[in-house]
Amino acid sequence: KQEVTQIPAALSVPEGENLVLNCSFTDSAIYNLQWFRQDPGKGLTSLLLIQSSQREQTSGRLNASLDKSSGRSTLYIAASQPGDSATYLCAVRPLTQGGSEKLVFGKGTKLTVNP
Amino acid sequence: ETGVTQTPRHLVMGMTNKKSLKCEQHLGHNAMYWYKQSAKKPLELMFVYSLEERVENNSVPSRFSPECPNSSHLFLHLHTLQPEDSALYLCASSQDQYGLYEQYFGPGTRLTVT
Repeated sequence: KQEVTQIPAALSVPEGENLVLNCSFTDSAIYNLQWFRQDPGKGLTSLLLIQSSQREQTSGRLNASLDKSSGRSTLYIAASQPGDSATYLCAVRPLTQGGSEKLVFGKGTKLTVNP
Repeated sequence: ETGVTQTPRHLVMGMTNKKSLKCEQHLGHNAMYWYKQSAKKPLELMFVYSLEERVENNSVPSRFSPECPNSSHLFLHLHTLQPEDSALYLCASSQDQYGLYEQYFGPGTRLTVT
């Protein structure tokens, strides 16, 4: 059974700092991995999607890497801003037969960027 | 704006009530999903619909009844819920059900069962 773990559960940093969020998964047989952002009491916003054949994806100040063989992904945020404060969720799409999509989510890392 | 809307945003209901949650996507996607997000637990998939047909029911109790009348609309009918069903219910859509594309989420309905 695929399990996704995110460490740390919470992180507080001063504005301007570069930071890394970690995601690990127990089964390397994945189709892709997706990073989301969730603001308090709201839905999820997709940040980056990495296919299993890719090593990384970049969007603005965000860079996500994927090491499928070791079951790890990192989300790097450069020059953090208070507006980056949110919970960041990692989800993997396992390789399954039958074809229906079923993302497996971690519990998230709650990030606070202090002005 | 994500292109996926949900109503109501907040709902308080008693255990004997019947209510419905509504989701609408304006993205032209073919697959829609219901998720449950409880405090301190990972997001849990409840149902998947592809082209208006249910393709997955993730062992959800029958007091939750989904309906997908067309590819743009998804409902979750609720009846005789329990207090432990209180959670944030999220709707999502994607181009297909096979995981090739990103999922886009709505803002959620915060449900409280009293």
